[in-house]
Amino acid sequence: DQQVKQNSPSLSVQEGRISILNCDYTNSMFDYFLWYKKYPAEGPTFLISISSIKDKNEDGRFTVFLNKSAKHLSLHIVPSQPGDSAVYFCATQDSNYQLIWGAGTKLIIKP
Amino acid sequence: DSGVTQTPKHLITATGQRVTLRCSPRSGDLSVYWYQQSLDQGLQFLIHYYNGEERAKGNILERFSAQQFPDLHSELNLSSLELGDSALYFCASSVAGYRHTGELFFGEGSRLTVL
Repeated sequence: DQQVKQNSPSLSVQEGRISILNCDYTNSMFDYFLWYKKYPAEGPTFLISISSIKDKNEDGRFTVFLNKSAKHLSLHIVPSQPGDSAVYFCATQDSNYQLIWGAGTKLIIKP
Repeated sequence: DSGVTQTPKHLITATGQRVTLRCSPRSGDLSVYWYQQSLDQGLQFLIHYYNGEERAKGNILERFSAQQFPDLHSELNLSSLELGDSALYFCASSVAGYRHTGELFFGEGSRLTVL
C-alpha cells in the first residue's frame, strides 16, 4: 500500500513554461515533505522541503505548495530549463523520522 | 559530488551468491542509510545506522545485513541472492540521527545484477 503516490510517471514541458509535479499522500499525520531530484547515474539530491505549518515554500525557481485537506502537494518550476530534466521524487517522514518515497516522476524539458 | 562514496558501482553475480556493498559517508556525518531501488520503483528504506548503532529497520530481508564501523563507513551484505534482488542500492548520510530535517546526501549507488 503506497503511502506516497506520484501518479504521473512522466511529464513533458516546453522550455520556459511552468512544470507542475504532483504528489498525494494517505496519512494526515505526515507533517514534513521533501522533494528530491535525480539525474541518471547519480544519487538523489535534496531540492526543497515544506512543513505542515506552511502551505507554500519558495526557493528561486522552485515552489512547493501543500494542501493538507486534500493530502496533496505540488512542485512548481518556473521557468523550466533544460537542466531541470530529471526524475523528481516526493518524500515524507514517518513517525520514526524515516523517509517514505514516491515512485518518482520523470520530467522532460523540450527545447 | 555529494561526498558520499559507494563501491562497487556495478556488480554482476549469480543466484545463491553473497556480495558486500560499501559506503563511506560525508566527512562528519554520523548517520548512514541504505535504500533499495528496483526498476521504476521509489526508494525502499532498508536500514539506518547512527554512530555505529542500528537506529531503524525498514523492509530489509533476513538475507541482508548491515553494519557501521568505528570509522563510520558502512557495509551492506546481501546473501543467498535471488533474481529479484537485482536493483540499485543507495547509501545516504546525514549529520544527525533521527529527528532531523530529512535532508540526506546520497552516493551514486551500486547497481547489482543477479543472473
